Amino acid sequence: EVQLLESGGTLVQPGGSLRLSCAASGLTFSSYAMSWVRQAPGKGLEWVSTITGSGGSTYYADSVKGRFTISRDNSKNTLYLQMNSLRAEDTAVYYCAKWNWNPGHFDYWGQGTLVTVSS
Amino acid sequence: EIVLTQSPGTLSLSPGERATLSCRASQSVSSSYLAWYQQKPGQAPRLLIFGASRRATGIPDRFSGSGSGTDFTLTISRLEPEDFAVYYCQQSGSSLFTFGPGTKVDIK
Repeated sequence: EVQLLESGGTLVQPGGSLRLSCAASGLTFSSYAMSWVRQAPGKGLEWVSTITGSGGSTYYADSVKGRFTISRDNSKNTLYLQMNSLRAEDTAVYYCAKWNWNPGHFDYWGQGTLVTVSS
Repeated sequence: EIVLTQSPGTLSLSPGERATLSCRASQSVSSSYLAWYQQKPGQAPRLLIFGASRRATGIPDRFSGSGSGTDFTLTISRLEPEDFAVYYCQQSGSSLFTFGPGTKVDIK
């Protein structure tokens, strides 16, 4: 059974930094692209970033490009999201999700971790 | 960027009724890259449909997806109490992935 467990969410001040982690189990981690999707309180889903299985290619939403960095450690079966220059509008639950390219869909999701950006 | 619009915003129905949810794209999306998700309060989204019409593992056959080009539909043939939730469509036809704003299906 595929399990994804996010951690690292907390309260951080505007302009601060935070690194989220997602520990994966039940799959050959290096074979699959992984993504981060966020959801602001009471709002809809917003795709944040995707990384290929090898880590060789990364993709970002315009709203986080230049501030967030997605990475992975396939030896540890762990996905990361480094978030810098955080803004109030980055406040959200951050989900990690396994991505399938074709057909395109997120088939497994973690339970999410809450990031709150506030002074 | 492809923008997805979902309608209606809220659908109020009774258990046993049929629900028809619409997802419209600002430009053509390959059917291979259109998916639907269900989300209940306090839970992560759950994949329902991928490739526009293929049910994910374990999804009951009362859920079906259809459509092509810019117009896609999620149909729930007979609403069960556990189906009252928010439903999102999502496309990945470009290197930017986008979700629709969601349709809330609530109990009438």
